[in-house]
Amino acid sequence: AQTVTQSQPEMSVQEAETVTLSCTYDTSESNYYLFWYKQPPSRQMILVIRQEAYKQQNATENRFSVNFQKAAKSFSLKISDSQLGDTAMYFCAFMMSSYSGAGSYQLTFGKGTKLSVIP
Amino acid sequence: DTGVSQDPRHKITKRGQNVTFRCDPISEHNRLYWYRQTLGQGPEFLTYFQNEAQLEKSRLLSDRFSAERPKGSFSTLEIQRTEQGDSAMYLCASSGAPPQEKLFFGSGTQLSVL
Repeated sequence: AQTVTQSQPEMSVQEAETVTLSCTYDTSESNYYLFWYKQPPSRQMILVIRQEAYKQQNATENRFSVNFQKAAKSFSLKISDSQLGDTAMYFCAFMMSSYSGAGSYQLTFGKGTKLSVIP
Repeated sequence: DTGVSQDPRHKITKRGQNVTFRCDPISEHNRLYWYRQTLGQGPEFLTYFQNEAQLEKSRLLSDRFSAERPKGSFSTLEIQRTEQGDSAMYLCASSGAPPQEKLFFGSGTQLSVL
């Protein structure tokens, strides 16, 4: 079974500054996908960024980028030029890339990091 | 693209009552997922449909829970004889193929069992 650990329950950052959220995971699989989802107070989960494990290049989406270290099983999210609208819960999640039995197409989530952007 | 919609947004019920939630996925999506999220936790997988077929069920889904997706369109999640431990937010998500593509989540149904 896969596990996802987010060791920072809460973080804060000043507006326009940069913040990094940590995520580690455990799996015996070699091919998988990693995700960062954002859940604002409206409760709707929104995909922030996705990384395929077979790609060495780190994914980037505008102000959001990841540092994917496959050997260390680490997947951190960097938010640059933080904005007030970035205030939300952030969840790291894992999904296998091919079917290998029950649970393959489930997203396994961490417990989340509550990010507050301070004006 | 009207997004994934869930109804109701909030549900308060008394212990022992039955409740049913509805999820309308994005129309062209053939995959539909139910997750449950309790306070301070990430969402936990409950069940997964591909078209009308329920392909996976979590061990979290006790016999009191049943989900359907008739005709591969909307889905319902029913909880019979609710217990206080069922209080949680129930999230629905949908996606196209392949399953590792972006999941679109609804805003959830918040269930409170008194």
